[in-house]
Amino acid sequence: SQTIHQWPATLVQPVGSPLSLECTVEGTSNPNLYWYRQAAGRGLQLLFYSVGIGQISSEVPQNLSASRPQDRQFILSSKKLLLSDSGFYLCAWTPDRTYNSPLHFGNGTRLTVT
Amino acid sequence: GNSVTQMEGPVTLSEEAFLTINCTYTATGYPSLFWYVQYPGEGLQLLLKATKADDKGSNKGFEATYRKETTSFHLEKGSVQVSDSAVYFCALLDGGGNKLTFGTGTQLKVEL
Repeated sequence: SQTIHQWPATLVQPVGSPLSLECTVEGTSNPNLYWYRQAAGRGLQLLFYSVGIGQISSEVPQNLSASRPQDRQFILSSKKLLLSDSGFYLCAWTPDRTYNSPLHFGNGTRLTVT
Repeated sequence: GNSVTQMEGPVTLSEEAFLTINCTYTATGYPSLFWYVQYPGEGLQLLLKATKADDKGSNKGFEATYRKETTSFHLEKGSVQVSDSAVYFCALLDGGGNKLTFGTGTQLKVEL
């Protein structure tokens, strides 16, 4: 069966520090991968999605970046965090080329920038 | 572009009350529609889905019918429980896309 792992679960970082959140999927090949952010009191905002290794689509201009160095690995990064980067970050995947398939989410990372 | 509009919360109900959470959408083509649920401190889980007009998705006593004429996908449950307390997200996937567009979420609180 397929599983998705996301870590760390919680993170407290000072303003200006770097960020690296990692997500891996097991039990499937060539998934579509997604990073969403859920800010306090707001809905889910799609940040990045990837349909293959090295292929990243950015939805919102910001100081975050994403990379997909391996088929089932998706990394969210920042060189310098801002206070506004605080939020709940969710990684998700869908099977490739299955447009009606729902997203499968990880348990999320709670990021607090101080 | 695509968009999803949900009723604002929080919605507070007594146990065994009837639940409706409204969701309307704007999209080109023929999107698929979803309801996701997020329990406290967790990621999102798929609750139900409908892939074409007049389809009814159902799961755990929740139902939603894909209404193309009113561009709606309202979530209903006949008798809510305290364990249903969570945030509910309506979402759409356009016919040819790779990404889901979410509503802002509606928090449901069920009290004894």
